[in-house]
Amino acid sequence: AQTVTQSQPEMSVQEAETVTLSCTYDTSESNYYLFWYKQPPSRQMILVIRQEAYKQQNATENRFSVNFQKAAKSFSLKISDSQLGDTAMYFCAFMKHAGANSKLTFGKGITLSVRP
Amino acid sequence: GAVVSQHPSWVICKSGTSVKIECRSLDFQATTMFWYRQFPKQSLMLMATSNEGSKATYEQGVEKDKFLINHASLTLSTLTVTSAHPEDSSFYICSATSRGYGYTFGSGTRLTVV
Repeated sequence: AQTVTQSQPEMSVQEAETVTLSCTYDTSESNYYLFWYKQPPSRQMILVIRQEAYKQQNATENRFSVNFQKAAKSFSLKISDSQLGDTAMYFCAFMKHAGANSKLTFGKGITLSVRP
Repeated sequence: GAVVSQHPSWVICKSGTSVKIECRSLDFQATTMFWYRQFPKQSLMLMATSNEGSKATYEQGVEKDKFLINHASLTLSTLTVTSAHPEDSSFYICSATSRGYGYTFGSGTRLTVV
């Protein structure tokens, strides 16, 4: 069974600074997908970034980038130029393979607060 | 982009009554829908997976008779909480996917049982 670990329950960052959220996972699969989701106070789940395990290049979406270390099974999210709207709960998630019934396995999440 | 509509966004019901929550994919055909439960400041807990036209697959520990899931079409899945009790109060979220390529989440339903 796959597991996703987010060991930091909370983090705080000053507006405009950079913050890194940690995530490790455990799997015996060689091909899989990793995600970071954001859940703001509205509680709407929003996809932040997605990484395919077979791709060596780290995914980037504007101010969001990941550091994917496959051998170490680590998948951290870096948020640059933090904005007040980044305040949210962030979940790291794992999916074994694409296809019908593919499930997402979520970590416990981390609450990020951006200070003005 | 893909949109999933979930209704109602919040509901209060009396203990012993049933509540139905709808999840609709508005602009794509959802081959699979997932139902989650989330407690405050906690992660999403998968309750069940449903495919159009077939019975839902429930996760271990989830009562099938308490949480009835129907996936009648490629755009609609419903979760009915039967004989609701205060301990069923929670935030319920659906998500939909088309052949596993991308997941779209509904906006969630806050259920309060009094």
